[in-house]
Amino acid sequence: GQQLNQSPQSMFIQEGEDVSMNCTSSSIFNTWLWYKQDPGEGPVLLIALYKAGELTSNGRLTAQFGITRKDSFLNISASIPSDVGIYFCAGTPAGGTSYGKLTFGQGTILTVHP
Amino acid sequence: EAQVTQNPRYLITVTGKKLTVTCSQNMNHEYMSWYRQDPGLGLRQIYYSMNVEVTDKGDVPEGYKVSRKEKRNFPLILESPSPNQTSLYFCASSSGTSTGELFFGEGSRLTVL
Repeated sequence: GQQLNQSPQSMFIQEGEDVSMNCTSSSIFNTWLWYKQDPGEGPVLLIALYKAGELTSNGRLTAQFGITRKDSFLNISASIPSDVGIYFCAGTPAGGTSYGKLTFGQGTILTVHP
Repeated sequence: EAQVTQNPRYLITVTGKKLTVTCSQNMNHEYMSWYRQDPGLGLRQIYYSMNVEVTDKGDVPEGYKVSRKEKRNFPLILESPSPNQTSLYFCASSSGTSTGELFFGEGSRLTVL
């Protein structure tokens, strides 16, 4: 199946710092999404992106759909302890045979020290 | 309250003993999907369904079966579980078939001995 490479795999930061993570693919995606998973729970959608070049914010979170349609990034500004969790990128591959498929990255584990 | 409900949440079983993990959503969503989560591998799609009686394989369908007889339910069946199916399983649903805006259940942790 399609591969998404998400980096970094983990981050240890101090409260108040900004965070940046990204996701790349070798093929084109029609949609990019970012999810957050709190411990013991299912992932929750943070931001969805639908057009190349699109830049979308949700509070302290900002995400962009890369212009090549092969990458996306997520920034978190002024991190707080409740930002702790696993962040996943996800995308729907271009192409009719992939309709309905959603591919996830490996996840970025974020730890925030007070 | 809008939700995706999975059962059981935790299960320890033995190799070869058939089991079913149920998934039900109350949002009248057309699209449902199953994922497994393993350390370092993220979430991998097992099967998905775009509507009643319409199912298709994801990236890791081997050893699993699904059915979609009703819109709200999408059970995951392991006919003969093996230890490599020990994992955390998530069911998800969406009102759009291609947007990927999924609502996830709380997960089912399965251990196969």
